[in-house]
Amino acid sequence: GNSVTQMEGPVTLSEEAFLTINCTYTATGYPSLFWYVQYPGEGLQLLLKATKADDKGSNKGFEATYRKETTSFHLEKGSVQVSDSAVYFCALGGGNTDKLIFGTGTRLQVFP
Amino acid sequence: SQTIHQWPATLVQPVGSPLSLECTVEGTSNPNLYWYRQAAGRGLQLLFYSVGIGQISSEVPQNLSASRPQDRQFILSSKKLLLSDSGFYLCAWRSEGGAGQPQHFGDGTRLSIL
Repeated sequence: GNSVTQMEGPVTLSEEAFLTINCTYTATGYPSLFWYVQYPGEGLQLLLKATKADDKGSNKGFEATYRKETTSFHLEKGSVQVSDSAVYFCALGGGNTDKLIFGTGTRLQVFP
Repeated sequence: SQTIHQWPATLVQPVGSPLSLECTVEGTSNPNLYWYRQAAGRGLQLLFYSVGIGQISSEVPQNLSASRPQDRQFILSSKKLLLSDSGFYLCAWRSEGGAGQPQHFGDGTRLSIL
């Protein structure tokens, strides 16, 4: 079945450091891929998405490229801020399912 | 534009008491609706989802139930709460027929059972 694997956290960085959060997936067909962000005490917000191979989703300085050859959708940001501290979830959807498959989430902590 | 509302934001209930959490969506018709639970520091667990009025799919057998009495209303209930029902409950919606589309989440309800 479909699945999503995210790197374990927490990821701890200093402000202005480069961020990568790894996400790989297993799926049949051609899924859509998403990154969500959850700030403390809040619901999930859609950060970015990609619907087909080689698509690059981007938002608020974050980017992720849908790589079918490596079945990956890694999240990157060139210079993180303290305000980026949150939990990030990778998710997969599409095909003949009404559900999203979520990764376990990666906590990012950014220090000044 | 579409919006989703969940209430209450926080709730403290004694063990054995009933529960009713409500979620409504505005600005769209016939959405798919979802209830998730998130234990402290953990990932998301899908509890129920609905593709139409009166249609409920249960993902995990447990102490909870869901109902969809109206097109854009989704209710999570329990007759008798357990300590293990504590957590952060999230409602989400997705466009009808949009299998590759994202889900959009409410602000959540934090439920504490004493």
